[in-house]
Amino acid sequence: DTGVSQDPRHKITKRGQNVTFRCDPISEHNRLYWYRQTLGQGPEFLTYFQNEAQLEKSRLLSDRFSAERPKGSFSTLEIQRTEQGDSAMYLCASSFRGPNTEAFFGQGTRLTVV
Amino acid sequence: ELKVEQNPLFLSMQEGKNYTIYCNYSTTSDRLYWYRQDPGKSLESLFVLLSNGAVKQEGRLMASLDTKARLSTLHITAAVHDLSATYFCAVDTGNQFYFGTGTSLTVIP
Repeated sequence: DTGVSQDPRHKITKRGQNVTFRCDPISEHNRLYWYRQTLGQGPEFLTYFQNEAQLEKSRLLSDRFSAERPKGSFSTLEIQRTEQGDSAMYLCASSFRGPNTEAFFGQGTRLTVV
Repeated sequence: ELKVEQNPLFLSMQEGKNYTIYCNYSTTSDRLYWYRQDPGKSLESLFVLLSNGAVKQEGRLMASLDTKARLSTLHITAAVHDLSATYFCAVDTGNQFYFGTGTSLTVIP
């Protein structure tokens, strides 16, 4: 296993379109996180899953955003009716639930809404 | 809401010099992580600090955690150009990681 994988790496979309990103975590990790990072800022938490259950969502996650993790493996993050303010790097991370909860991040998906 | 503050936000230092980056946080936690991010890249894990008094060292970087003071430090010894990057601390509350504002480090020859 080579780490957390995200697809696509880059996405350019027109305002109003829907986009979907995929994250494949490290296989033995049961926690999966989504973060958003804009230029010059630290990553902001969006949501996290433990196995297939979505346990916490940020207020940043408006009703246009939805995340799933069917069967507790890969996860998808969908943004509907994209807005220019959605332009950011979307980062996925995974970790164990245990004494060492170090999170490993994927390469991210850079979204540009034009 | 938990706040994680790093200082300085920007740091320009000469090669060979020493410096410390500070990370203060506003809630009880005994788990803190340091990450490095190069421009346009994702986050690379540097240190995992899981208890009060934890100290970890890797090369020219050393991180420590004081949970009573809610403070972590990242010390840079004899800086080299390759250390130029943005450094983030992140506090683990059990449900999510709260990231600091980041410290953009530039090492000047």
